[in-house]
Amino acid sequence: QVQLQETGPGLVKPSQTLSLICSVSGGSISSGSYYWSWIRQPAGKGLEWIGRIDASGSTNYNPSLRSRVTISVDTSKNQFSLDLSSVTAADTAVYYCAREWGVWGQGTTVIVSS
Amino acid sequence: QTVVTQEPSLTVSPGGTVTLTCASSTGAVTSGYFPHWFQQKPGQAPRTLIYNTNSKHSWTPARFSGSLLGGKAALTLSGVQPEDEADYYCLLYYGGAWVFGGGTKLTVL
Repeated sequence: QVQLQETGPGLVKPSQTLSLICSVSGGSISSGSYYWSWIRQPAGKGLEWIGRIDASGSTNYNPSLRSRVTISVDTSKNQFSLDLSSVTAADTAVYYCAREWGVWGQGTTVIVSS
Repeated sequence: QTVVTQEPSLTVSPGGTVTLTCASSTGAVTSGYFPHWFQQKPGQAPRTLIYNTNSKHSWTPARFSGSLLGGKAALTLSGVQPEDEADYYCLLYYGGAWVFGGGTKLTVL
């Protein structure tokens, strides 16, 4: 069955760009008409949808984050990625990737601090 | 800014029934919002229970059901078990963007 794994730096400095990769195993990111999403959750708070992409590269973003978010897909590596620019402490959270909406990664913690 | 509202907390006795709801600031929730429901336990990733209003995944216990109720999406747990104590989130679709509800903390007591 399809599994997802988030990877990336656990610590990012303020004003820099947060970059994460979601690796897909057990199936092809190109098979089926799925969207692949990024979601985040600050400690003790609720879930926030960041954005999504399909295998063709079509994207949708959360309007509140759109100016800072880029999601891309690399079908040759069977992965998709998140870039969030100009980060602040408010971007500290657990970041999840998901295949809408049946499969989730385990999440990765990103702390924004100098 | 679209807001999706859930009850912040609910308490239910073991074996009881409880309904969680999910309201949209834009008006009545319909099947066109493709309501989803997720369960999250401490330290774990969310797990999808219900998709597209009332469809279940293979792993969804039979005691969980989804519906539309009074202009809201609803998740009903019948015959609640102690292991159902968790946070529950709904998710609604707004034409290319998804919005999560704030979550309901369900206590089984």
